[in-house]
Amino acid sequence: AQSVSQHNHHVILSEAASLELGCNYSYGGTVNLFWYVQYPGQHLQLLLKYFSGDPLVKGIKGFEAEFIKSKFSFNLRKPSVQWSDTAEYFCAVNEDGGFKTIFGAGTRLFVKA
Amino acid sequence: DSGVTQTPKHLITATGQRVTLRCSPRSGDLSVYWYQQSLDQGLQFLIHYYNGEERAKGNILERFSAQQFPDLHSELNLSSLELGDSALYFCASSVSGADGELFFGEGSRLTVL
Repeated sequence: AQSVSQHNHHVILSEAASLELGCNYSYGGTVNLFWYVQYPGQHLQLLLKYFSGDPLVKGIKGFEAEFIKSKFSFNLRKPSVQWSDTAEYFCAVNEDGGFKTIFGAGTRLFVKA
Repeated sequence: DSGVTQTPKHLITATGQRVTLRCSPRSGDLSVYWYQQSLDQGLQFLIHYYNGEERAKGNILERFSAQQFPDLHSELNLSSLELGDSALYFCASSVSGADGELFFGEGSRLTVL
């Protein structure tokens, strides 16, 4: 069965620090990959997605993610975080053409001002 | 605002009771997904409907059931409630369901006392 692992459950950073959140998935076929973000008190929203093509994808608010097929990974990065990036981040995988999207357990990021 | 509407936003009930959560997808979206988010389990996929038909099932208990109506709104029925069912229940919608890009509602927070 598909599974998604997020390595860090809680991350605390100071403003301007660099961020990298790890995500690995277990499915061996073609997949679509996503990062969603949930700001405090808000619904989940899409941060970025990878379907095919350039494995380095850029999303909103300066976030980017790199798909490394050989490592089954899709890590999220941001060079310099801001206090407003405090949120919970979810990695998600959808089997290409499949009908369910599986989420990781989430990483809670707290950015100190 | 994602365009996905969930009601009620909050619900408090007792063990053994039954509740119904309602979801209206974005205009034009044919797919509806239900997820359960609890502190210790993360975001768990429950079930996916596409244009009125069940397409995929996840970790949904037998005490839970769902359906999607001709007008595409969906209901999640939770019965014989237990304390452990207390969670945030999210509905998400997408255009087709096969590409995984989801638009989430704000969730229904269920508290079972």
